Amino acid sequence: SAVISQKPSRDICQRGTSLTIQCQVDSQVTMMFWYRQQPGQSLTLIATANQGSEATYESGFVIDKFPISRPNLTFSTLTVSNMSPEDSSIYLCSVDPVSSTDTQYFGPGTRLTVL
Amino acid sequence: KQEVTQIPAALSVPEGENLVLNCSFTDSAIYNLQWFRQDPGKGLTSLLLIQSSQREQTSGRLNASLDKSSGRSTLYIAASQPGDSATYLCAVRGGSYIPTFGRGTSLIVHP
Repeated sequence: SAVISQKPSRDICQRGTSLTIQCQVDSQVTMMFWYRQQPGQSLTLIATANQGSEATYESGFVIDKFPISRPNLTFSTLTVSNMSPEDSSIYLCSVDPVSSTDTQYFGPGTRLTVL
Repeated sequence: KQEVTQIPAALSVPEGENLVLNCSFTDSAIYNLQWFRQDPGKGLTSLLLIQSSQREQTSGRLNASLDKSSGRSTLYIAASQPGDSATYLCAVRGGSYIPTFGRGTSLIVHP
């Protein structure tokens, strides 16, 4: 199993500012994922964070807007840059299971409100 | 591209009812299917994971079935309780190994 923590749990930010969200896992994992969940919507994958290489972004998401760091196998950060009210969402960190028979684990999420 | 649909979008039932939540997916070439629970403003908690070779999984009052050929899964909740109130999400993992999520079923169980 994997226990994931995220900081902050919630924040209210002003338009035009940036917020960095931290994700810490209690064990080493190969892949970490960052998701966005807009109000009333399901989860949308932003990017996959791999240790030692650039993150892989999904269609519609770019590195300038959502820079990601992955300095080691237990930690990652997602920055939401130059925020607008449309960025108000829950941001979730998730880790790849140890094997295909294992469950996918999620952090508790960061609730972001942009005014 | 995999698409996952969950029906119904919302459900409100009295306590004690047996429930069926539905999940359908367009590409049957999957590795596994997972059901999650999400409480308001919270992260996701895994409920059941079904491998592509399996037909069903059970945990307590929950039973999930998988019919890969027809692209369907159901989550059965027996004797529902107010504590079951949450959003239930279905996620399908396919060839890219990246899961695709449905929009969820929002469940309210009232006393």
